[in-house]
Amino acid sequence: LAKTTQPISMDSYEGQEVNITCSHNNIATNDYITWYQQFPSQGPRFIIQGYKTKVTNEVASLFIPADRKSSTLSLPRVSLSDTAVYYCLVGGNTGRRALTFGSGTRLQVQP
Amino acid sequence: GAVVSQHPSWVICKSGTSVKIECRSLDFQATTMFWYRQFPKQSLMLMATSNEGSKATYEQGVEKDKFLINHASLTLSTLTVTSAHPEDSSFYICSTQRDRASYEQYFGPGTRLTVT
Repeated sequence: LAKTTQPISMDSYEGQEVNITCSHNNIATNDYITWYQQFPSQGPRFIIQGYKTKVTNEVASLFIPADRKSSTLSLPRVSLSDTAVYYCLVGGNTGRRALTFGSGTRLQVQP
Repeated sequence: GAVVSQHPSWVICKSGTSVKIECRSLDFQATTMFWYRQFPKQSLMLMATSNEGSKATYEQGVEKDKFLINHASLTLSTLTVTSAHPEDSSFYICSTQRDRASYEQYFGPGTRLTVT
C-alpha cells in the first residue's frame, strides 16, 4: 500500500469547516483513497472513499486533484463530537486485504 | 450497516494467564477477519489475518504461539493471548469485509486488555 503523510494534529472550533490533507505521492493507478475515523477506545469507522475529483456523502467531502498525489477530507461545520483521529489510507479496491494505518490526524474541536 | 462485535470489551488478567477475545460478524459471513493491536496514542498495527477453516497468517514480529487465532466458523474468530505479560496490555481490534468487491472494512469496538 502507498505510504501516506498527514498532519499529526489539528485544532478547530465548533461550526468551522475542517480540511485535513493527506499526501500519497506513490499512489498506484488502481489505488483508491479511503478515510476512517476513530474515537478513543473504539474501532475505526469508515467515512468516505474516492478515486478522483470529488466525492460527497452525508458526513464529509473528499477532494482529489488530477494527479491524485494528495487528497483532502473536508468536514463541514464540525461539532465537539467530531473530535477524533482521522486516518487516510490508500490501496486497491478489491479483494480481502488488511489495512495499513498511518499515524493519522488527531482533530480537537473546541467549543 | 454491518456490525462486528467483540467480547469482552475490557479484561484485566494476571501475568502468566491466558485471555480469549472473541470477534463476531453479526450481519454477514466473514471468511477473512483481521486482528489489529493499538497501543496508547499510536496507530493500529496489523497482527494477523484470520481465515475460516485454515491457519492464520501472522505479521512479522508477531508470535503465533503466543497469539493463538482460531476461525472455526464464518461468523467467529478468536484471539487467545497466552501467558500474558504486562507488555501485552493493549487495545485489540478485529475487522472484516462484507465481500471481496468492497474495500470498506467494518471494525469491532475493540477489547482493552490490561495485564497486571
